[in-house]
Amino acid sequence: AQSVTQLGSHVSVSEGALVLLRCNYSSSVPPYLFWYVQYPNQGLQLLLKYTSAATLVKGINGFEAEFKKSETSFHLTKPSAHMSDAAEYFCAVSESGGNKLVFGAGTILRVKS
Amino acid sequence: NAGVTQTPKFQVLKTGQSMTLQCAQDMNHNSMYWYRQDPGMGLRLIYYSASEGTTDKGEVPNGYNVSRLNKREFSLRLESAAPSQTSVYFCASSDPTANSGNTIYFGEGSWLTVV
Repeated sequence: AQSVTQLGSHVSVSEGALVLLRCNYSSSVPPYLFWYVQYPNQGLQLLLKYTSAATLVKGINGFEAEFKKSETSFHLTKPSAHMSDAAEYFCAVSESGGNKLVFGAGTILRVKS
Repeated sequence: NAGVTQTPKFQVLKTGQSMTLQCAQDMNHNSMYWYRQDPGMGLRLIYYSASEGTTDKGEVPNGYNVSRLNKREFSLRLESAAPSQTSVYFCASSDPTANSGNTIYFGEGSWLTVV
């Protein structure tokens, strides 16, 4: 069975500081990995995804994530936080070509001015 | 470009009442999903439909039924609502056959409170 662990339910950074949101996965088959963002009272929006091509994946709004098979990780980073990045972020995993996503519990990112 | 549309956005029910959440997508996707979101638990899959005419249970199906009415529409029914079903419900769709790596697209959510 697949699973996702997001370390830290809340992360707080200063505006302009590095953003690092951690995600570790468990999968018995080659995974597809996703990061979604959810702004208050809205649905989920895809930030980026890994589908077995390049291990460093660039997404929208300056975010990127690196797939590390040896560490079973897919951490999300952004060099410089902006106030508009404050939201909840979800990491998710699915089997390659599979129908179902399994989500982590989410990490709420707070950006301080 | 509507994407995934779900109704109603807000609903308050009394324990034991029934209701149906409606969902439609205009992206010609084969697969559709219903998730529920609860604080600290992420999103959990209730039911999904891989294609028109098929439905399968997800992680938390108890207390729910679904209907894949046609390729566009996938409804979620609560036959006898319970306070434990107070949650935010998200409908979603995807096309696993595409080269997009099965990106799942979400609706805006339906906030359901059972009192």
